[in-house]
Amino acid sequence: GAGVSQSPSNKVTEKGKDVELRCDPISGHTALYWYRQSLGQGLEFLIYFQGNSAPDKSGLPSDRFSAERTGGSVSTLTIQRTQQEDSAVYLCASSLGNRFPQETQYFGPGTRLLVL
Amino acid sequence: GNSVTQMEGPVTLSEEAFLTINCTYTATGYPSLFWYVQYPGEGLQLLLKATKADDKGSNKGFEATYRKETTSFHLEKGSVQVSDSAVYFCALSTGGSNYKLTFGKGTLLTVNP
Repeated sequence: GAGVSQSPSNKVTEKGKDVELRCDPISGHTALYWYRQSLGQGLEFLIYFQGNSAPDKSGLPSDRFSAERTGGSVSTLTIQRTQQEDSAVYLCASSLGNRFPQETQYFGPGTRLLVL
Repeated sequence: GNSVTQMEGPVTLSEEAFLTINCTYTATGYPSLFWYVQYPGEGLQLLLKATKADDKGSNKGFEATYRKETTSFHLEKGSVQVSDSAVYFCALSTGGSNYKLTFGKGTLLTVNP
């Protein structure tokens, strides 16, 4: 079946502009994660959605970052007033959501964001 | 908090050489352990995992054993191939309020023919 998809694959923006990144999880997966992959920081957790529960936003680096998940499926990560340090690859992952730490997370191809 | 330390690369080997990538962890609670791989131009994919002490995860000739006493999960392969060239990430998850993965920095492996 289809895997996790993300769009756009690449995004170039100017400092101070807002950007929206989209994630389509695997059908039937109730858990959805956003991670950021950057040269300096490696792979970092950003936010976690589980079904209709309130998201865990503990990894968001500042209040310029927000995310929503509509209808328990598609998710959008929004970065307001982008800064150059926001340049990174943003990865989305989904899993079945059975609340087991050993559950496999399936990753999308990522969105490469470059802030000029 | 949770953390993962893996050997820094890059690692360069000749085909058919033995591979070890070291990974140690610190965790609150009892973690599940993972190795993810990122091939050039592709997304992260699970390579193998282990969920309790002394479990051995294996896939595609790679193996890693969950060692609770040394808090380690070293990745090994007896004979690497050019197609194994990729970045390898060690990771853990402990559950609790969320099931996020905590990753190591990644190790770039290049295998030459």
